[in-house]
Amino acid sequence: GESVGLHLPTLSVQEGDNSIINCAYSNSASDYFIWYKQESGKGPQFIIDIRSNMDKRQGQRVTVLLNKTVKHLSLQIAATQPGDSAVYFCAENEGSNYKLTFGKGTLLTVNP
Amino acid sequence: NAGVTQTPKFRILKIGQSMTLQCTQDMNHNYMYWYRQDPGMGLKLIYYSVGAGITDKGEVPNGYNVSRSTTEDFPLRLELAAPSQTSVYFCASSYSIGGRDEKLFFGSGTQLSVL
Repeated sequence: GESVGLHLPTLSVQEGDNSIINCAYSNSASDYFIWYKQESGKGPQFIIDIRSNMDKRQGQRVTVLLNKTVKHLSLQIAATQPGDSAVYFCAENEGSNYKLTFGKGTLLTVNP
Repeated sequence: NAGVTQTPKFRILKIGQSMTLQCTQDMNHNYMYWYRQDPGMGLKLIYYSVGAGITDKGEVPNGYNVSRSTTEDFPLRLELAAPSQTSVYFCASSYSIGGRDEKLFFGSGTQLSVL
């Protein structure tokens, strides 16, 4: 079946460096993608989203890149801070259905 | 706004016991969802609702039931708890599906252990 997956389960970076978290998706019909951040003991929190008619979207210190040719999504975090330490999930949605398919997550650890 | 509120935060059940996980939202969202998250895994959809009086199954509905009598509340019922239902449960809501606002807002979760 269709699935969303991640290339790297863990990522460790130094404070101040830029982080890149990758995600592969296999459903070519998906047209909406979201990144969520989940801190320990908390529910997922929305970070940024992107629609399939775009290839880049920027937020505050975060950028999402979408490459539909290779079905790849990435989240870039600039000047990573200790507060960015969390598990990051990508999720996809196909058209107008209810289903948001989540990947397994990447654990980001920021070293001071 | 309080957002999405879940109770309880933690619960231990014995095999065969029943319980209801409560979820309420004050954002007037039409859509509500229940997910479970197993260790090291992503979220799996259990049930969802597109409005009061309407519910439907997600990916992993077996062993669970839901109801949606009001826009605000979406309780999840476990009738005969099994060890396989040990997980963290998240309730979420969203304004719409397929429209411009598809972001889900999550509660803080209920950690359930079935022993």
